[in-house]
Amino acid sequence: DVKVTQSSRYLVKRTGEKVFLECVQDMDHENMFWYRQDPGLGLRLIYFSYDVKMKEKGDIPEGYSVSREKKERFSLILESASTNQTSMYLCASSFDSYGYTFGSGTRLTVV
Amino acid sequence: DQQVKQNSPSLSVQEGRISILNCDYTNSMFDYFLWYKKYPAEGPTFLISISSIKDKNEDGRFTVFLNKSAKHLSLHIVPSQPGDSAVYFCAASGNYGGATNKLIFGTGTLLAVQP
Repeated sequence: DVKVTQSSRYLVKRTGEKVFLECVQDMDHENMFWYRQDPGLGLRLIYFSYDVKMKEKGDIPEGYSVSREKKERFSLILESASTNQTSMYLCASSFDSYGYTFGSGTRLTVV
Repeated sequence: DQQVKQNSPSLSVQEGRISILNCDYTNSMFDYFLWYKKYPAEGPTFLISISSIKDKNEDGRFTVFLNKSAKHLSLHIVPSQPGDSAVYFCAASGNYGGATNKLIFGTGTLLAVQP
């Protein structure tokens, strides 16, 4: 069964901390994505990657960075966590434009 | 600039009746549309899709209709079941000058099917 695995289901971090969210896929997909989901705002794209070491900004990249050193792993980094980054974070991977597989999400609370 | 819009944040229907979820888009370069379903504390899962060369696609109880001239699509669920209660996201994709491999999602509609 193909999978996108996010390392943590729930995280609580303090304001100003550096936060790492990890995502691993086992489908050999080229494309990986980080979204955040907020009530009334839907899924908003933070960053995505077409290939190892490749990254592109999505719609809301401010305050975030990403790392893709290996094809199967895509990390989202909150450089200095703030309370407005409290959200549900969703990682996805895809082979093409049409078939996204999502992880179960990480609920991050910044206090 | 919301390119994909779901104007109804929530919808409540009775079990056995039809659920109709609507989605509007603004970018005429979109050529593929998808619906995802999301339960709480889980990631979205793919439900059904439609290419812009079609106006209807059916899969069991789920049918998606596309009206390109109106830039509108809808998801019909017949008959609705309590297990269909979830948030439904509309998404669109296309070669619109940016990256070709990203989906643009709507804001979601929470469907509640009452037993």
